[in-house]
Amino acid sequence: RKEVEQDPGPFNVPEGATVAFNCTYSNSASQSFFWYRQDCRKEPKLLMSVYSSGNEDGRFTAQLNRASQYISLLIRDSKLSDSATYLCVVRSNQAGTALIFGKGTTLSVSS
Amino acid sequence: DADVTQTPRNRITKTGKRIMLECSQTKGHDRMYWYRQDPGLGLRLIYYSFDVKDINKGEISDGYSVSRQAQAKFSLSLESAIPNQTALYFCATSDFKGVSGELFFGEGSRLTVL
Repeated sequence: RKEVEQDPGPFNVPEGATVAFNCTYSNSASQSFFWYRQDCRKEPKLLMSVYSSGNEDGRFTAQLNRASQYISLLIRDSKLSDSATYLCVVRSNQAGTALIFGKGTTLSVSS
Repeated sequence: DADVTQTPRNRITKTGKRIMLECSQTKGHDRMYWYRQDPGLGLRLIYYSFDVKDINKGEISDGYSVSRQAQAKFSLSLESAIPNQTALYFCATSDFKGVSGELFFGEGSRLTVL
């Protein structure tokens, strides 16, 4: 089983729609979780961290379910500029462990 | 100027050639990484370094080597390039002294091996 798994999509939604992405991770020792955004042919950039209690940043809401080893990202009121690939990222708390990336979920928002 | 700079940005080479990709950073971070990205496979970790002279293998280190002789520089070498090493390569840095997991990526080096 891959360490971090995501539905690759693509998700095609109209402007204003609400869309949710899911991610599962296999290492129960994982302690840190993140969503990155990658635009076409660009480098990935941190979108938001994911905290145990859930967290929100404007139209974006991230949730973590440790029991199910599941992370989600909800985007409300989608904008054209939200079109990108969203990468689920996990880090174990073990010393010397780097970040592990999921393959990404592609979102296309149309007018 | 970018905080994480990769050179070259694009390179076309032939099978069997030795290739070096360079990465330099001005962020003062201790930790540096090399990832490769392939369509459908996402980002995969090749090597990472948490300090000068510290080298750790990632998920797909075979066929690659790295050097970390200075805090600001981390180079990736392909001793004898092969076509399946055609990919987009990203260097990244991080500072894990806090709880932030943020990686700062360079703009990528697109390598084509013919």
